[in-house]
Amino acid sequence: KQEVTQIPAALSVPEGENLVLNCSFTDSAIYNLQWFRQDPGKGLTSLLLIQSSQREQTSGRLNASLDKSSGRSTLYIAASQPGDSATYLCAVLIQGAQKLVFGQGTRLTINP
Amino acid sequence: GAVVSQHPSWVICKSGTSVKIECRSLDFQATTMFWYRQFPKQSLMLMATSNEGSKATYEQGVEKDKFLINHASLTLSTLTVTSAHPEDSSFYICSAPTLRGVADIQYFGAGTRLSVL
Repeated sequence: KQEVTQIPAALSVPEGENLVLNCSFTDSAIYNLQWFRQDPGKGLTSLLLIQSSQREQTSGRLNASLDKSSGRSTLYIAASQPGDSATYLCAVLIQGAQKLVFGQGTRLTINP
Repeated sequence: GAVVSQHPSWVICKSGTSVKIECRSLDFQATTMFWYRQFPKQSLMLMATSNEGSKATYEQGVEKDKFLINHASLTLSTLTVTSAHPEDSSFYICSAPTLRGVADIQYFGAGTRLSVL
């Protein structure tokens, strides 16, 4: 059974810092890994998607990496801003079942 | 990107009533849609897979008679919470996949917050 874990569960940093969020998964048989952002009481916004054959994806100040063999992904946020405050979820798409399995999320707070 | 619309965004109901939530893919067809439930400060848990023209597939522990799913067309899936009780209060989110390359990418609705009094 695929399990996805995110560390840390919560993170609070001053504005301007670079930070890394971690995601690990137990089964490497995945199609892709996706990072989402969720604001309180809202739905999900897709940030980055990495196909299983890829190593990383970048969008603006965000960079996500994938090491499928070790079952790890990181989301790097550069020059953090208060508007980055949200919960960040990673999810893997399981091969065969086409199901998304989510981690518990990291609640990020950027302090002005 | 593809758009998934979910309605209503927020509903309050009395205990014992039934509530229907709609999930629509606006610019693509989806033979499969997914329904998730999210408790406060927790992650999304897959409840069921909605299949167009056939029965939904429920995850272990999800009551089929409590959460009725209908996928009547290629763009619409509905989740009905029957005889709702306060413990059913939660955030419900749907998603619909569309093929991009070798695998699907799922697009999510904005979610429905259900409060049962």
